[in-house]
Amino acid sequence: GQQVMQIPQYQHVQEGEDFTTYCNSSTTLSNIQWYKQRPGGHPVFLIQLVKSGEVKKQKRLTFQFGEAKKNSSLHITATQTTDVGTYFCALIQGAQKLVFGQGTRLTINP
Amino acid sequence: ETGVTQSPTHLIKTRGQQVTLRCSSQSGHNTVSWYQQALGQGPQFIFQYYREEENGRGNFPPRFSGLQFPNYSSELNVNALELDDSALYLCATSSTSGTYEQYFGPGTRLTVT
Repeated sequence: GQQVMQIPQYQHVQEGEDFTTYCNSSTTLSNIQWYKQRPGGHPVFLIQLVKSGEVKKQKRLTFQFGEAKKNSSLHITATQTTDVGTYFCALIQGAQKLVFGQGTRLTINP
Repeated sequence: ETGVTQSPTHLIKTRGQQVTLRCSSQSGHNTVSWYQQALGQGPQFIFQYYREEENGRGNFPPRFSGLQFPNYSSELNVNALELDDSALYLCATSSTSGTYEQYFGPGTRLTVT
C-alpha cells in the first residue's frame, strides 16, 4: 500500500524560530491530513488537503500540498512553547483508514 | 475534548493473557477505527468497524479482534498477549460524511510483562 515518509524525525528550535516538516510519497496522493500529538496526548486533527498546489493557513501554521500531489509540508512561523509535540502527516486509504508517517517531533527552547 | 472516551487509561498484563479495551464514540459518528502506537512511532491501523461490521483490517494477526455495538461504541480484544503488544492503543471515530476527519480518544496504555 501507499506510504508517506516524514522528515526530519526530530527538530529542536529556539522559541520564535520557524519550523517546517515535510511529508513525501513516491506515488500520487488523493489527499493528505495533518495531526498534532502533544507529549502524553493523542493525535488531534489539524487539516486536510485535497487539491494540487493547495495552500491553507491556520494562524501561524501554513500547510501546502505539492503540485504533483506527492508531497506536503507544514510550516510554523515564530514557534511558541505551545507548538511542542509530534506532527504527523497521514493519507487516507480506502474507507477512512489512515496511514501515518513516522512524525516529526518538535521541541522548543524557551 | 473530542467526546471520544477510552477505558481503561492504563493496563498491565502478563504475556499470554487476554485484554479488552473499550471506546465510546463521539455522538453521531458511526465509524470507529483502532490504532496501535508504539513508543516513538506513528499510529498503525489495526481495523475499522462500520455498522457493527469489520470494514477493513491492517497487518495485524487474528488474535486482535473487535466489536462494534449498536450505539457505535467498540471493543478491541487481544488474545495471547506478547511483549511487543505493549503500546498505546487509540480509537478514532468519524462520520461517513464530511472530511473524514478522525477524532481520537485519549488512548489506553498497555504494558505487557
